[in-house]
Parts: sequence; structure tokens; C-alpha cells
Amino acid sequence: AQSVTQLDSQVPVFEEAPVELRCNYSSSVSVYLFWYVQYPNQGLQLLLKYLSGSTLVKGINGFEAEFNKSQTSFHLRKPSVHISDTAEYFCAVSGGSNYKLTFGKGTLLTVNP
Amino acid sequence: DAGVTQSPTHLIKTRGQQVTLRCSPKSGHDTVSWYQQALGQGPQFIFQYYEEEERQRGNFPDRFSGHQFPNYSSELNVNALLLGDSALYLCASSLFGVGEQYFGPGTRLTVT
Repeated sequence: AQSVTQLDSQVPVFEEAPVELRCNYSSSVSVYLFWYVQYPNQGLQLLLKYLSGSTLVKGINGFEAEFNKSQTSFHLRKPSVHISDTAEYFCAVSGGSNYKLTFGKGTLLTVNP
Repeated sequence: DAGVTQSPTHLIKTRGQQVTLRCSPKSGHDTVSWYQQALGQGPQFIFQYYEEEERQRGNFPDRFSGHQFPNYSSELNVNALLLGDSALYLCASSLFGVGEQYFGPGTRLTVT
């Protein structure tokens, strides 16, 4: 079975500050890893994905994440956040014979002026 | 390029009733997955349809059923609704069911 742990349920930061949202996963097979963002009353938007290859993955809106197999982590980072980045962020895993996405419980990022 | 579309946007039903939700996948995609997202939680996988068959199912009772049509669109049916079925229902599409999935805006179901 696969699982995802998002270590922080809420992360408050000031505008233009850097941010890191932490994600750890558990899987017995090779994984695909994803970060999604959800704005209030909307569906999920794919921020970035790791399928194979380079462990540093760049996504939309200036976000990036690093796949660390030894630490079983896939932390999301942004060097300078904006008010508009305020949203819920979900880390997800799939892979092997597992077609489904298994999500973490989410991290609410709140960017304050 | 049309993304994933879902209908209706909102729905209010009474306990014991039945409901059908609809999803059209992103252009070029052939696989549809359904997720339930309760308030304040991450999405939970219900099932995935590929080639008009249920390929994988999550931990949901048989009251939840689905269908995929030849044009790859899909329906989610829930029978004998319970108050606990109130949630945002998300549809996601992908190619062959592998890799990234693209989500629709969701259907908000309220059971009273």
C-alpha cells in the first residue's frame, strides 16, 4: 500500500518570503509523485510531477520540488510567495500496479501582506 | 483545448435518494477516475474506468457504481444516499490511467 504524510497542516508566511511544504511518502514500488493546488471551491490543479529522470522538478507559478528517494520525500518550494499563492496544497503518489492517486491531508498555505 | 468538465455543479438530495454525476474527460484522454473529497480532507479514490470497465476500486461500498461510455465520458451513481455522502466529487482524466491526472471543477453534493 502507498501512503502520503504532509507534515504541516497549516503554513503561514509573509509575502515575498520563501516557503517549503513538506511531503513524505511510503511505497514498496517505484513511484510517481505529484503536487496539486486547490483554491477555494475549485477542483485540483496540477502544479508539478515527478515521473522519472531529474530529481529536481520545476512546475507552474515558480514552484519546484525535489524527489529524495533515500529520505522518501518530495518537498515543495518557492523562493518568493505572493498573496495569490494562498490555497490548499496536496501531495499525491501513484505507481506500480496502482493507478489511483493517494493524497495527503493537505497543507493550507496562507500568505499574509 | 477543453479540460475536464463535470455536471452538475451543485446538487441537493435527501437521504435514501439516488444521484448521478457526469464527467467528460480532457480531449485525448481515455481514462476517468472518481474521487470523493470531504470537507477539510484530501481526495479519496472511488474507482477508475478504462476501456469501459472498472479497472481499480477504492474502499467504497457497492452503493457507489459507475459507467464509462464509448466516447470516454463517465457517470458516477450513488444509491441510498447517506448524510455522510455529502462531499465534493471530483472527476479526473488521464491517458491509459498512468501518470498525471487532470481534475475537473467538481460536483458539490449535499445530502439532507
